Amino acid sequence: SYELTQPPSVSVSPGQTAKITCSADALPKQYVNWYQQKPGQAPVLVIHKDIERPSGIPERFSGSTSGTTVTLTISAVQAEDEADYYCQSDDNSGSYHVLFGGGTKLTVL
Amino acid sequence: QEQLVQSGAAVKKPGASVKVSCKASGYTFTSFFIHWVRQAPGQGLEWVGIINPAGGSTSYAQKLQGRVTMTRDTSTSTAYMELGSLTSDDTAIYYCARGPDQYELDYWGQGTLVTVSS
Repeated sequence: SYELTQPPSVSVSPGQTAKITCSADALPKQYVNWYQQKPGQAPVLVIHKDIERPSGIPERFSGSTSGTTVTLTISAVQAEDEADYYCQSDDNSGSYHVLFGGGTKLTVL
Repeated sequence: QEQLVQSGAAVKKPGASVKVSCKASGYTFTSFFIHWVRQAPGQGLEWVGIINPAGGSTSYAQKLQGRVTMTRDTSTSTAYMELGSLTSDDTAIYYCARGPDQYELDYWGQGTLVTVSS
């Protein structure tokens, strides 16, 4: 079955750049979105339509794509960025079904 | 401002059903989709399904087809997700989220913990 694959964990020191990848089995038919989830909270949309940043999201969050891999980049990481990050797109079935990646735990050292 | 407020936590016995509500405010209810997503303890996000409040059309995750029903009440701007034949594997936080289209979730409710236990 179609999958979106993320690394389970990424660690960076404050002020460094964090890159979280999301690899698809095939080119997604729809855009990829990224969500940040802090412990005990609901997810928050941080990147949509592959590269666009919703209003209120800091400029240090950015998205990029290359073939079947999309990347969430967090520049100048801050302690408050420590969270789980999920990529999301469609399940490639053409049936309006949503699929999430397995999630990546970002640890700020 | 856009807001989705969900019903409170529920404890159910195996085999029972649960119905979770999601009341929308701050936007036109029928102009956006409502997605439902669940998260088992310590696990990732799992999409449950989607409803179009304008016409009531739905689409469900194949895994839950036959056990899940999504409805809406446009007079109260409230969406509902009912899950039947509950097992312990259904223990999770259930979130509703607004969708500007079928594939994006831009605002999320606070979540509803559903615990299935005998």
